[in-house]
Amino acid sequence: DAGITQSPRHKVTETGTPVTLRCHQTENHRYMYWYRQDPGHGLRLIHYSYGVKDTDKGEVSDGYSVSRSKTEDFLLTLESATSSQTSVYFCAISRDRSSSTEAFFGQGTRLTVV
Amino acid sequence: GENVEQHPSTLSVQEGDSAVIKCTYSDSASNYFPWYKQELGKRPQLIIDIRSNVGEKKDQRIAVTLNKTAKHFSLHITETQPEDSAVYFCAAREGGGADGLTFGKGTHLIIQP
Repeated sequence: DAGITQSPRHKVTETGTPVTLRCHQTENHRYMYWYRQDPGHGLRLIHYSYGVKDTDKGEVSDGYSVSRSKTEDFLLTLESATSSQTSVYFCAISRDRSSSTEAFFGQGTRLTVV
Repeated sequence: GENVEQHPSTLSVQEGDSAVIKCTYSDSASNYFPWYKQELGKRPQLIIDIRSNVGEKKDQRIAVTLNKTAKHFSLHITETQPEDSAVYFCAAREGGGADGLTFGKGTHLIIQP
């Protein structure tokens, strides 16, 4: 498996508090992504990064921000958590354009907002 | 943006029979179509993928077909086994790798003994 680690694996937080999820990779892949998975919706893209300090919005970016200050780390921040952000969050990475575009996923973070 | 529809949402087959899951996509510029398998509580894992310059790809009991004209692609699993029970997701992406994948809503495949 690709070297991707998400932390924390589980978190319970209160409505209105900020939350940061971390994705760490050891593969030196250029592209990193954050998805959320909800029953009946599959996986939906929140934000992605195509290099250090280069990020862009995905389909469901409202209420989320990201940062990538190093190749290996991609942080997802919920600025003020709401119950609708209760979900399982997956980070994924892809190799450079010159080779496969396959995406490898991390183990996921289960976030509950109460 | 891209929209991916996946059918059926649940599929139950007898062990040893074949299973077929179908997806359609909307963006004719999409050129990469992976399939992921997700077991309960685990991460999605790539099982097979196909690029738009190929019509069919096979890997042992798993095959994927792509019809670019009709904008649909299918996953075929032959000689199903209990360990094939999982949720399967199709996805599509415009070429290059930067923009992320657009996923179907998933198919829960149940293998009956």
